[in-house]
Amino acid sequence: DTAVSQTPKYLVTQMGNDKSIKCEQNLGHDTMYWYKQDSKKFLKIMFSYNNKELIINETVPNRFSPKSPDKAHLNLHINSLELGDSAVYFCASSRKAGTYSGANVLTFGAGSRLTVL
Amino acid sequence: QKEVEQNSGPLSVPEGAIASLNCTYSDRGSQSFFWYRQYSGKSPELIMSIYSNGDKEDGRFTAQLNKASQYVSLLIRDSQPSDSATYLCAVNTAGNNRKLIWGLGTSLAVNP
Repeated sequence: DTAVSQTPKYLVTQMGNDKSIKCEQNLGHDTMYWYKQDSKKFLKIMFSYNNKELIINETVPNRFSPKSPDKAHLNLHINSLELGDSAVYFCASSRKAGTYSGANVLTFGAGSRLTVL
Repeated sequence: QKEVEQNSGPLSVPEGAIASLNCTYSDRGSQSFFWYRQYSGKSPELIMSIYSNGDKEDGRFTAQLNKASQYVSLLIRDSQPSDSATYLCAVNTAGNNRKLIWGLGTSLAVNP
């Protein structure tokens, strides 16, 4: 199946721990993203990579570090987890950014629900 | 601060009616506009994209764009209970077409 897949789907951990979420897409897209959706359902972009190059880095604490080993993979590592990090984290991908019709059309993964206790 | 605004709802319509969802945006230079549907506990999925002024129809869905008034709307004809979800409006930012600004979403409930 062509898709964006992310693991794990659920993550429950204690404050102060370090955790990672992995994402892979087999759609042949050039651009990948990490979004955070909080309890109020607001979808906020965190990072975006275009063919392994970081192109969007929003105001996110340094505890969050993305890593893209190749254009099909984008992982997110979070250090020293805090209660406020509890959210659903979505990975997404799109064709190469631009102004053509179809640009910025995102395909989302199923989400990773992180609960920090 | 570039913004996208939507009424949070809930918008409640009877089955078979037309549901009308609205979205306004602040960045006059925006070029690409999207409607995503998100069921509870699921990820957003694209419903419609629109790039030019006017209407774009796809099955029961019609997107309408008016760049002069800076609004984009989504009409759902013959609403079904399965259309009950949150509808997210997303708009690209002028000058950086790789970044989307998202609205908070409108919750739609279609009552049988």
